Amino acid sequence: EVQLVESGGGLVQPGGSLRLSCAASGFTFSDPWMHWVRQAPGKGLVWVSRINGDGSVTHYADSVKGRFTISRDNAKNTLYLQMNSLKGEDTAVYYCAGRGSGKIDSWGQGTLVTVSS
Amino acid sequence: EIVLTQSPGTLSLSPGERATLSCRASQNINNNYLAWYQQKPGQAPRFLIYDASRRATGIPDRFSGSGSGTDFTLTISRLEPEDFAVYYCQQYSISSLSFGGGTKLEIK
Repeated sequence: EVQLVESGGGLVQPGGSLRLSCAASGFTFSDPWMHWVRQAPGKGLVWVSRINGDGSVTHYADSVKGRFTISRDNAKNTLYLQMNSLKGEDTAVYYCAGRGSGKIDSWGQGTLVTVSS
Repeated sequence: EIVLTQSPGTLSLSPGERATLSCRASQNINNNYLAWYQQKPGQAPRFLIYDASRRATGIPDRFSGSGSGTDFTLTISRLEPEDFAVYYCQQYSISSLSFGGGTKLEIK
Protein backbone atom coordinates (compact mmCIF):
# COMPACT_ATOMS: atom_id res chain seq x y z
CA GLU A 1 0.00 0.00 0.00
CA VAL A 2 1.32 3.42 -0.98
CA GLN A 3 1.77 5.76 1.99
CA LEU A 4 2.89 9.37 2.03
CA VAL A 5 3.25 10.99 5.45
CA GLU A 6 4.04 14.69 5.72
CA SER A 7 5.62 16.41 8.72
CA GLY A 8 7.22 19.71 9.59
CA GLY A 9 4.28 22.06 9.40
CA GLY A 10 3.51 24.65 12.04
CA LEU A 11 3.33 28.32 12.88
CA VAL A 12 6.06 30.58 11.47
CA GLN A 13 6.47 34.35 11.33
CA PRO A 14 6.46 36.24 8.03
CA GLY A 15 9.94 36.16 6.53
CA GLY A 16 10.75 32.93 8.33
CA SER A 17 11.67 29.48 7.05
CA LEU A 18 10.31 25.97 7.40
CA ARG A 19 11.24 22.59 5.97
CA LEU A 20 8.56 20.04 5.20
CA SER A 21 9.29 16.33 4.92
CA CYS A 22 7.35 13.49 3.35
CA ALA A 23 8.11 9.88 4.21
CA ALA A 24 7.16 7.50 1.43
CA SER A 25 6.55 3.76 1.51
CA GLY A 26 4.85 1.04 -0.48
CA PHE A 27 6.55 1.77 -3.81
CA THR A 28 10.00 2.23 -5.33
CA PHE A 29 10.53 5.82 -4.25
CA SER A 30 13.49 6.53 -6.54
CA ASP A 31 11.47 5.96 -9.72
CA PRO A 32 8.64 8.46 -9.99
CA TRP A 33 8.24 12.19 -10.05
CA MET A 34 6.98 13.67 -6.80
CA HIS A 35 5.06 16.89 -6.12
CA TRP A 36 4.00 19.36 -3.49
CA VAL A 37 0.48 20.76 -3.78
CA ARG A 38 -1.05 23.26 -1.36
CA GLN A 39 -4.54 24.33 -0.36
CA ALA A 40 -5.28 27.53 1.53
CA PRO A 41 -8.13 27.28 4.07
CA GLY A 42 -11.43 27.03 2.21
CA LYS A 43 -9.75 27.40 -1.18
CA GLY A 44 -8.79 25.20 -4.10
CA LEU A 45 -5.75 23.11 -4.93
CA VAL A 46 -2.59 24.86 -6.12
CA TRP A 47 0.39 23.02 -7.57
CA VAL A 48 3.67 24.14 -5.97
CA SER A 49 6.58 22.10 -7.27
CA ARG A 50 7.75 18.78 -8.70
CA ILE A 51 10.98 16.80 -8.89
CA ASN A 52 12.00 13.84 -11.04
CA GLY A 53 13.18 10.49 -9.79
CA ASP A 54 16.88 11.20 -9.42
CA GLY A 55 16.40 14.80 -8.34
CA SER A 56 18.06 16.31 -11.39
CA VAL A 57 14.98 18.14 -12.73
CA THR A 58 12.75 20.49 -10.74
CA HIS A 59 9.90 22.83 -11.61
CA TYR A 60 8.15 25.49 -9.55
CA ALA A 61 5.03 27.61 -9.63
CA ASP A 62 5.83 31.27 -10.26
CA SER A 63 4.44 32.19 -6.83
CA VAL A 64 7.18 30.24 -5.01
CA LYS A 65 10.08 30.37 -7.47
CA GLY A 66 13.25 31.61 -5.78
CA ARG A 67 11.81 31.07 -2.28
CA PHE A 68 11.02 27.33 -2.16
CA THR A 69 13.32 24.41 -2.95
CA ILE A 70 12.16 20.86 -3.55
CA SER A 71 14.58 17.97 -3.00
CA ARG A 72 14.59 14.28 -2.26
CA ASP A 73 16.75 11.68 -0.51
CA ASN A 74 16.10 8.39 -2.25
CA ALA A 75 18.18 6.48 0.30
CA LYS A 76 15.77 7.66 3.00
CA ASN A 77 12.61 7.49 0.85
CA THR A 78 11.92 11.10 1.75
CA LEU A 79 10.76 14.18 -0.14
CA TYR A 80 11.46 17.70 1.15
CA LEU A 81 10.25 21.24 0.64
CA GLN A 82 12.46 24.01 1.98
CA MET A 83 10.40 27.17 2.31
CA ASN A 84 12.13 30.52 2.84
CA SER A 85 10.93 34.13 2.98
CA LEU A 86 7.46 32.92 3.92
CA LYS A 87 4.46 35.20 3.40
CA GLY A 88 0.93 35.19 4.75
CA GLU A 89 -0.35 33.91 1.42
CA ASP A 90 1.75 30.77 1.88
CA THR A 91 -0.59 29.70 4.68
CA ALA A 92 -2.08 26.39 3.55
CA VAL A 93 -2.22 22.65 3.97
CA TYR A 94 0.72 21.24 2.03
CA TYR A 95 0.23 17.87 0.39
CA CYS A 96 3.00 15.53 -0.64
CA ALA A 97 1.82 13.79 -3.79
CA GLY A 98 3.09 11.77 -6.66
CA ARG A 99 3.97 9.06 -8.71
CA GLY A 100 3.52 10.63 -12.12
CA SER A 101 5.31 13.42 -13.96
CA GLY A 102 1.96 15.15 -14.26
CA LYS A 103 -0.98 13.07 -13.16
CA ILE A 104 -1.00 12.47 -9.42
CA ASP A 105 -2.27 9.10 -8.19
CA SER A 106 -1.18 9.25 -4.56
CA TRP A 107 -1.61 11.89 -1.88
CA GLY A 108 -0.60 12.30 1.73
CA GLN A 109 -2.97 13.68 4.34
CA GLY A 110 -1.24 17.05 4.39
CA THR A 111 0.54 19.25 6.91
CA LEU A 112 -0.66 22.73 7.87
CA VAL A 113 1.66 25.71 7.53
CA THR A 114 0.50 28.95 9.12
CA VAL A 115 2.43 32.14 8.44
CA SER A 116 1.47 34.79 10.96
CA SER A 117 2.99 37.17 13.46
CA GLU B 1 0.77 29.38 -17.70
CA ILE B 2 -2.42 27.51 -18.55
CA VAL B 3 -5.48 28.76 -16.65
CA LEU B 4 -8.27 26.24 -16.12
CA THR B 5 -11.80 27.55 -15.58
CA GLN B 6 -14.34 25.15 -14.12
CA SER B 7 -18.09 25.56 -14.35
CA PRO B 8 -20.47 25.70 -12.73
CA GLY B 9 -19.03 26.77 -9.40
CA THR B 10 -21.73 24.82 -7.61
CA LEU B 11 -24.01 22.11 -9.00
CA SER B 12 -27.09 21.02 -7.05
CA LEU B 13 -28.47 17.62 -8.01
CA SER B 14 -30.23 14.63 -6.48
CA PRO B 15 -28.94 11.06 -6.13
CA GLY B 16 -29.64 9.12 -9.30
CA GLU B 17 -29.30 12.15 -11.55
CA ARG B 18 -26.57 12.76 -14.13
CA ALA B 19 -23.83 15.32 -13.40
CA THR B 20 -21.89 17.17 -16.08
CA LEU B 21 -18.89 19.25 -14.98
CA SER B 22 -16.92 21.47 -17.35
CA CYS B 23 -13.25 22.46 -17.47
CA ARG B 24 -12.05 25.01 -20.02
CA ALA B 25 -8.38 25.76 -20.66
CA SER B 26 -6.89 29.11 -21.68
CA GLN B 27 -4.80 27.37 -24.33
CA ASN B 28 -4.64 23.99 -26.01
CA ILE B 29 -3.76 21.06 -23.76
CA ASN B 30 -1.39 18.89 -25.74
CA ASN B 31 -1.91 15.13 -25.76
CA ASN B 32 -5.08 15.67 -23.70
CA TYR B 33 -2.94 15.72 -20.56
CA LEU B 34 -5.84 16.51 -18.25
CA ALA B 35 -6.82 14.81 -14.99
CA TRP B 36 -9.79 14.98 -12.62
CA TYR B 37 -9.80 14.64 -8.82
CA GLN B 38 -12.49 14.36 -6.17
CA GLN B 39 -12.08 15.90 -2.72
CA LYS B 40 -14.32 15.51 0.31
CA PRO B 41 -14.14 17.79 3.38
CA GLY B 42 -11.10 17.10 5.54
CA GLN B 43 -9.68 14.58 3.09
CA ALA B 44 -6.90 14.50 0.52
CA PRO B 45 -7.89 14.54 -3.14
CA ARG B 46 -8.69 11.27 -4.89
CA PHE B 47 -7.41 10.52 -8.40
CA LEU B 48 -10.28 9.80 -10.81
CA ILE B 49 -9.41 10.35 -14.48
CA TYR B 50 -6.19 10.92 -16.47
CA ASP B 51 -5.36 11.65 -20.10
CA ALA B 52 -8.83 13.23 -20.26
CA SER B 53 -10.74 9.96 -20.49
CA ARG B 54 -8.90 7.10 -18.77
CA ARG B 55 -10.27 5.97 -15.42
CA ALA B 56 -7.79 5.46 -12.61
CA THR B 57 -7.56 2.08 -10.93
CA GLY B 58 -10.62 1.26 -8.85
CA ILE B 59 -12.77 4.15 -10.08
CA PRO B 60 -16.40 3.11 -10.80
CA ASP B 61 -17.50 3.22 -14.42
CA ARG B 62 -20.22 5.78 -13.65
CA PHE B 63 -17.34 8.30 -13.81
CA SER B 64 -16.24 9.22 -17.33
CA GLY B 65 -14.11 11.94 -18.87
CA SER B 66 -14.20 13.39 -22.34
CA GLY B 67 -12.98 16.31 -24.40
CA SER B 68 -9.90 17.57 -26.18
CA GLY B 69 -8.05 20.76 -26.99
CA THR B 70 -9.42 23.35 -24.57
CA ASP B 71 -12.78 21.88 -23.51
CA PHE B 72 -13.14 18.93 -21.18
CA THR B 73 -16.00 17.30 -19.29
CA LEU B 74 -16.37 15.00 -16.31
CA THR B 75 -19.65 13.08 -16.32
CA ILE B 76 -21.11 11.08 -13.44
CA SER B 77 -23.86 8.98 -14.98
CA ARG B 78 -25.96 8.22 -11.88
CA LEU B 79 -25.06 10.06 -8.71
CA GLU B 80 -24.50 8.02 -5.58
CA PRO B 81 -24.63 9.68 -2.13
CA GLU B 82 -20.85 9.35 -1.80
CA ASP B 83 -20.26 11.33 -5.01
CA PHE B 84 -21.18 14.68 -3.47
CA ALA B 85 -17.86 16.47 -3.14
CA VAL B 86 -15.65 19.06 -4.83
CA TYR B 87 -14.12 18.14 -8.20
CA TYR B 88 -10.95 19.61 -9.67
CA CYS B 89 -9.46 19.38 -13.13
CA GLN B 90 -5.68 19.62 -13.59
CA GLN B 91 -3.45 19.96 -16.65
CA TYR B 92 -0.01 18.45 -17.01
CA SER B 93 0.64 19.51 -20.59
CA ILE B 94 3.42 21.96 -19.69
CA SER B 95 6.11 21.98 -17.00
CA SER B 96 4.09 24.40 -14.87
CA LEU B 97 1.12 22.32 -13.80
CA SER B 98 -2.17 23.92 -12.78
CA PHE B 99 -5.56 23.11 -11.26
CA GLY B 100 -8.96 24.55 -11.94
CA GLY B 101 -10.85 26.35 -9.20
CA GLY B 102 -13.18 23.42 -8.54
CA THR B 103 -16.86 22.55 -8.86
CA LYS B 104 -18.81 21.78 -5.71
CA LEU B 105 -21.37 19.05 -6.29
CA GLU B 106 -24.02 19.31 -3.59
CA ILE B 107 -27.18 17.44 -2.75
CA LYS B 108 -30.36 19.18 -3.89
